[in-house]
Amino acid sequence: LAKTTQPISMDSYEGQEVNITCSHNNIATNDYITWYQQFPSQGPRFIIQGYKTKVTNEVASLFIPADRKSSTLSLPRVSLSDTAVYYCLVGGRSSYKLIFGSGTRLLVRP
Amino acid sequence: DVKVTQSSRYLVKRTGEKVFLECVQDMDHENMFWYRQDPGLGLRLIYFSYDVKMKEKGDIPEGYSVSREKKERFSLILESASTNQTSMYLCASSGSWIYTFGSGTRLTVV
Repeated sequence: LAKTTQPISMDSYEGQEVNITCSHNNIATNDYITWYQQFPSQGPRFIIQGYKTKVTNEVASLFIPADRKSSTLSLPRVSLSDTAVYYCLVGGRSSYKLIFGSGTRLLVRP
Repeated sequence: DVKVTQSSRYLVKRTGEKVFLECVQDMDHENMFWYRQDPGLGLRLIYFSYDVKMKEKGDIPEGYSVSREKKERFSLILESASTNQTSMYLCASSGSWIYTFGSGTRLTVV
C-alpha cells in the first residue's frame, strides 16, 4: 500500500474554500485515492474517491493530476461543522486492508 | 442507510477480565475490520476478516483475538484486559474499497 503524506493541520474561516493536498509518490497503477472525515469520538466517514482527473459529489471535489502522485481534496465554503480530521488513503480495490496515516486536522474558525 | 453497529459506546473493565466487543453490519459485506485509535498513534489495524470463519492479523494483534461465526457479526476479544488496551475501538466493514465505520467503543481498563 502506498504511503501518503498530508499536512498535520490547517486553519480556515467560515465560508472559505479549503484545499488539502496529499502526496502519494508510490501510487500503483490500480490504486484508488479515497478521503475520509473523522469527528471526535466517531468513526471515520467516507467523503470521496477517485482514480484520475476530477471527481465531485455533494460534499467535496477531488483533483488528481495526470501523474497521480498527489491529490487535492477541495471543500467549498466550509462551515464550523467541517472542523475534523481528514485522511487520505491510497490502495487498490483488490486489497481490502486500509492503512490510515496521521491525517490533517482542519480547524474552521468563525 | 447502511450501518455498522457496535454494541457498546463506553465500557469500563478490570485488569485481567475477558472482554468482548461486538460489531454487526447490515450491508452483507464480506470484509470486516477492527481498529484501535489512540492519540498521536492514529488508527491501527488489529484484525480483519474477509469471510466467515476467516481472519487475518493486522498490525497489532497481540493480546487480541477475533471471531466471525456469521457474516454480519465480527467480535473482538481481549483475552485478559490490560491497562494499555484502554483505547477507542472502531469496527468497519467493506464490500469494496469504501469502508463504513461504526461509532466506536471507548474502553477503559482499570
